[in-house]
Amino acid sequence: DAGVTQSPTHLIKTRGQQVTLRCSPKSGHDTVSWYQQALGQEPQFIFQYYEEEERQRGNFPDRFSGHQFPNYSSELNVNALLLGDSALYLCASSSPGQGVNYGYTFGSGTRLTVV
Amino acid sequence: GQQLNQSPQSMFIQEGEDVSMNCTSSSIFNTWLWYKQDPGEGPVLLIALYKAGELTSNGRLTAQFGITRKDSFLNISASIPSDVGIYFCAGQSSNTGKLIFGQGTTLQVKP
Repeated sequence: DAGVTQSPTHLIKTRGQQVTLRCSPKSGHDTVSWYQQALGQEPQFIFQYYEEEERQRGNFPDRFSGHQFPNYSSELNVNALLLGDSALYLCASSSPGQGVNYGYTFGSGTRLTVV
Repeated sequence: GQQLNQSPQSMFIQEGEDVSMNCTSSSIFNTWLWYKQDPGEGPVLLIALYKAGELTSNGRLTAQFGITRKDSFLNISASIPSDVGIYFCAGQSSNTGKLIFGQGTTLQVKP
């Protein structure tokens, strides 16, 4: 049973460029959340998608946008990249219910470096 | 906004020792989660707690959901070198809502 898969694993972009990160949720999960983790910091919530709509959003600018597809997979888009956007971007999937089968499961992340 | 205070920030212990770390919040959470993160990897769920007062074990790990719903602790017994990593607590207001993370506890184990 595949867990949460993210692609690509690493990415280098130039300031001002745009980037798209991809996430496939764990089997049986229908909700996808994205987090940004700067080096040495805890993950920070960006937004959450459910039924192809943004359900919750953290304190991130509009440069950060997302999408969820009918198969529950998701994309995170970041426009006009800044040096400060360099971070590990984590995708997590979940589904209503309790227990480790439903709870937040994280992927290994995409390491984005902006130069 | 909601914040979690996690302590200690770091621990350097001898193999075989027990470890305890905790998180406190000014806000009430309905779920507490404990994760371990290795360098360059995503957080891995260790224990999930859903009821105030709940005490749950997973092997050598034991965690409790505080009765006030504003705190939680994680204990690791008889530590081994592979316990090395960063441990995060996370609070969640609903079982699908966003997670608020603590600042993390870096654990180092000396063989």
